[in-house]
Amino acid sequence: AAGVIQSPRHLIKEKRETATLKCYPIPRHDTVYWYQQGPGQDPQFLISFYEKMQSDKGSIPDRFSAQQFSDYHSELNMSSLELGDSALYFCASSLGRTSLNEQFFGPGTRLTVL
Amino acid sequence: AQSVSQHNHHVILSEAASLELGCNYSYGGTVNLFWYVQYPGQHLQLLLKYFSGDPLVKGIKGFEAEFIKSKFSFNLRKPSVQWSDTAEYFCAVLYSGGGADGLTFGKGTHLIIQP
Repeated sequence: AAGVIQSPRHLIKEKRETATLKCYPIPRHDTVYWYQQGPGQDPQFLISFYEKMQSDKGSIPDRFSAQQFSDYHSELNMSSLELGDSALYFCASSLGRTSLNEQFFGPGTRLTVL
Repeated sequence: AQSVSQHNHHVILSEAASLELGCNYSYGGTVNLFWYVQYPGQHLQLLLKYFSGDPLVKGIKGFEAEFIKSKFSFNLRKPSVQWSDTAEYFCAVLYSGGGADGLTFGKGTHLIIQP
């Protein structure tokens, strides 16, 4: 069965650079969630989208922005990167505008900021 | 702030031992509860969930969890663990459920099963 695809899987950036992470949800899924998991930490919810509109906002820094496109894929744009942004970034997708539907997680993008 | 607490960060058990992982959440009205598992090198997978009804829920791979409202707890159990249960286990809470709201995760429990 098709799963959530994230690209790239690994990314290395320098401080103050920008990064773009991509998430391709399971076919027909219209809702996308982004989470950040620092080393040894729990996943922290960043932001979610339903039908290309922002649905919920968590602890996403102002330096980050995200959007969902007409094909339902989503991109997380990160600017002025800091060392503390080094983390595993998970994307999850679900069907319908409710978190009561199971969120299916992708493998994550491991971002390292040097 | 809403939070989820997992009591044990590391647990080591022998095969066939019984397992119980604790999870407590802060009060926030209506809650929906989840346990996710992350096997080494893999993504998060849903083990089980509780929304309403019977407080004892059964999930995949022989896992079950009990919701005790008075204790704000949702502990994960398995009567007899296997080596393949070695993984990171996360308790998660959905405090709203009205929209595409994010989950609040605990810090996880790293479970190691020794053969």
